[in-house]
Amino acid sequence: EDKVVQSPLSLVVHEGDTVTLNCSYEVTNFRSLLWYKQEKKAPTFLFMLTSSGIEKKSGRLSSILDKKELFSILNITATQTGDSAVYLCVVPNNAGNMLTFGGGTRLMVKP
Amino acid sequence: GAVVSQHPSRVICKSGTSVKIECRSLDFQATTMFWYRQFPKQSLMLMATSNEGSKATYEQGVEKDKFLINHASLTLSTLTVTSAHPEDSSFYICSASGRSTKAETQYFGPGTRLLVL
Repeated sequence: EDKVVQSPLSLVVHEGDTVTLNCSYEVTNFRSLLWYKQEKKAPTFLFMLTSSGIEKKSGRLSSILDKKELFSILNITATQTGDSAVYLCVVPNNAGNMLTFGGGTRLMVKP
Repeated sequence: GAVVSQHPSRVICKSGTSVKIECRSLDFQATTMFWYRQFPKQSLMLMATSNEGSKATYEQGVEKDKFLINHASLTLSTLTVTSAHPEDSSFYICSASGRSTKAETQYFGPGTRLLVL
């Protein structure tokens, strides 16, 4: 059974801090790993990672995948209150038609 | 691109009534649509997967007679909660993937918050 584990479960930081969110996975026939941000509504897509060692960046967010150690990290630099959300790590099955969700990391950024 | 809408965004109904939630892919053909349920402070729980024109595949523990799913076209799937009870109150989210989107990337609708009184 595919498994995705995120840590920490929750995190409280102050604006300007840098945070690192972790995601480890155990899946058969790995294909890709996705990060989503969920605020009050449904998740919004952040990154899809397929190759090890290649950092994906979008503004203050970046993510990298290590397929040998089976984990990914999501970094957020210079955090802002608008970054407060639940961050979900998700791994699709080989066919791409089923997602395994991590439990999420709840980030709160205080002013 | 790859926008998914849900309607309604919020619904309040009386116990025993049925509620229909629509999920539409606005700018792509959704060959597969997924229905999730999310309880407060928990991750998403997959309820069922539906492919256009065929019966939905339900996850273990999800009653298919209670949660009716129809995926009649490549842009529309509906979830009907029949004979709703207060314990059905939850946040229901659909997602879709299709021919013109990356297979692994599911695009989520904004969700429907259901409250059963």
